Amino acid sequence: EAGVTQFPSHSVIEKGQTVTLRCDPISGHDNLYWYRRVMGKEIKFLLHFVKESKQDESGMPNNRFLAERTGGTYSTLKVQPAELEDSGVYFCASSQWEGPRPGNTIYFGEGSWLTVV
Amino acid sequence: QKEVEQNSGPLSVPEGAIASLNCTYSDRVSQSFFWYRQYSGKSPELIMSIYSNGDKEDGRFTAQLNKASQYVSLLIRDSQPSDSATYLCAVYTGRRALTFGSGTRLQVQP
Repeated sequence: EAGVTQFPSHSVIEKGQTVTLRCDPISGHDNLYWYRRVMGKEIKFLLHFVKESKQDESGMPNNRFLAERTGGTYSTLKVQPAELEDSGVYFCASSQWEGPRPGNTIYFGEGSWLTVV
Repeated sequence: QKEVEQNSGPLSVPEGAIASLNCTYSDRVSQSFFWYRQYSGKSPELIMSIYSNGDKEDGRFTAQLNKASQYVSLLIRDSQPSDSATYLCAVYTGRRALTFGSGTRLQVQP
């Protein structure tokens, strides 16, 4: 079974440009999460989808970030316009169920490394 | 105060020794606790979850939870060089998503 896949694995863009990151969750997982790790900091929550609905987007840093999950399958995270401080690793994760319960494992992708120059 | 705190390390132990990784958390309502292992450039991988006070053992790994003191720890027995990685403590807090510590880098010396 395929895991959580993310594309691109690495991206280098100039300040002011736009980047779109894609995440394909594990098949059948209704819950999809975006997290981000900037240099030297901990992994931080950005937002959570249940199917196509945004359940919690309290971690989104500002309105330059737009996440979508049309059809409740894959998700995209667009950064427009990108700033230097947006550099970091963007992780996508998915789980079958919502919330903390035994057996509800959150699986992570390998991340999309974004460098804004 | 950070919601989840870990010593960044590196924690260096000789091969065959017990590695002890610690994590404290600030939100008393937290109910679920997880240890992820992350190799450089790879995805975080869940290795242990614990929901109730006490110890939970899985192979060479033991997770310990003390809700009164708000700490969770991970013991790795018979440490191997392949255990060298960053270990991330994660907690479900008020929101339905994980809050991570900054991770402890473990180095197992052959």
